[in-house]
Amino acid sequence: QVQLQESGPGLVKPSETLSLTCSVSDDSISSYYWSWIRQSPGKGLEWIGYISYNGNTNYNPSLKSRVTISIDRSKNQFSLNLSSVTAADTAVYYCAGSVRILEWLFLPGWFDLWGQGTLVTVSS
Amino acid sequence: NFMLTQPHSVSESPGKTITISCTGSSGNIASNYVQWYQQRPGSAPTTVIYEDKLRPSGVPDRFSGSIDRAANSASLTISGLKTEDEADYYCQSYRDNNVVFGGGTKVTVL
Repeated sequence: QVQLQESGPGLVKPSETLSLTCSVSDDSISSYYWSWIRQSPGKGLEWIGYISYNGNTNYNPSLKSRVTISIDRSKNQFSLNLSSVTAADTAVYYCAGSVRILEWLFLPGWFDLWGQGTLVTVSS
Repeated sequence: NFMLTQPHSVSESPGKTITISCTGSSGNIASNYVQWYQQRPGSAPTTVIYEDKLRPSGVPDRFSGSIDRAANSASLTISGLKTEDEADYYCQSYRDNNVVFGGGTKVTVL
């Protein structure tokens, strides 16, 4: 079973860039489409964006101007950068994998794999 | 902005059947797939239904999904409720180049 593990700072200052990495347990990084999803405390889920194994990306339109997702296949990792953060970006951030992409939408199919999540707090 | 609306909470006794609705704010919900996720406290979500009505391996057949085109809604039905089904449930679909989640439904097994 493929396992995902998020890592990165748990505290980020306002206006700075939030950076997280998701490590994939084996060489399955080329077999899935990789997303970042967040959940604000006590609230629902919000998709941030995804990247394919060959580097194609698609982002949530409401976050697109601040988001960059990248992939490093040699390290079995993919990463999230979210710039100009505010307190509203405080959330548990999950990395997730989809076994397929919906080609007609250029969006990931169901999220089959999930990391355990990591809490990122934006505060000075 | 397109929204998926779910009831805030549903409560029922063990052994009973519940249905959670997920209603699209506009358009035709049947035009894109709907997924359902279960999230227990302190844990990441897991898929219980994908592509409207399919169950991942390991998900019991007590869980089923359906689409009601007339109501522009999707539904998750859990039959033979067990205490282990107590969790938050989220629907998810697509609209306007975006992955959209419903607000979640808290299921309490009395």
